Amino acid sequence: QLQLQESGPGLVKPSETLSLNCSVSGGSISSSTYYWAWIRQPPGKGLEWIGSIDYSGSTYYNPSLKSRVTISVDTSKKKFSLKLSSVTATDTAVYYCARQGMDVWGQGTTVTVSS
Amino acid sequence: DIVMTQSPLSLPVTLGQPASISCRSSQSLVHSDGNTYLNWFQLRPGQSPRRLIYKVSNRDSGVPDRFSGSGSGTDFTLKISRVEAEDVGVYYCMQGTNWHPLTFGGGTKVEIK
Repeated sequence: QLQLQESGPGLVKPSETLSLNCSVSGGSISSSTYYWAWIRQPPGKGLEWIGSIDYSGSTYYNPSLKSRVTISVDTSKKKFSLKLSSVTATDTAVYYCARQGMDVWGQGTTVTVSS
Repeated sequence: DIVMTQSPLSLPVTLGQPASISCRSSQSLVHSDGNTYLNWFQLRPGQSPRRLIYKVSNRDSGVPDRFSGSGSGTDFTLKISRVEAEDVGVYYCMQGTNWHPLTFGGGTKVEIK
């Protein structure tokens, strides 16, 4: 059964870069069928798609975040990663990774941006 | 961007009674491949989102049959035939037809009266 697990620092300072990994187990990350996505939910707000990547590294980003986002994939380590630069308090959120069809999600990780 | 508008914002429901959530998109969600990529998710407190319905009306494995999705074009509905206590949470629609960007509705909070 496919499982996803987010990992990374829970606290990031303003202006720094948020870095998260998503480990994929119980299935292949290299399938050409799927993209892999990052989604976030700020406190008290709704879900926001950040971007997606496939096994070859082809990416789609939310235009509202595109200038600050980099998503990468490492198929040998069965993981994909998110980097969000120049963070502010508005980037405080629960960050989820998911398979693009959004049928499988990680448990989510809370990232707080604060000095 | 395709804007997804959900209503109501909050939905108090009596146990055993039906509930209905509306989701409207600012553009047609019919993809060039003929499919309509409209999903529904349930988000319970402290849990990850769970997909309930994909491509308008297809129920995911393990989802109770009291949940159903319908609609076409720009107008979609999630119905719960008889609300149970475990159905409390926030429900979101999401369009996957246009990836520039993928967009979610604002959410509908279902609570028990």
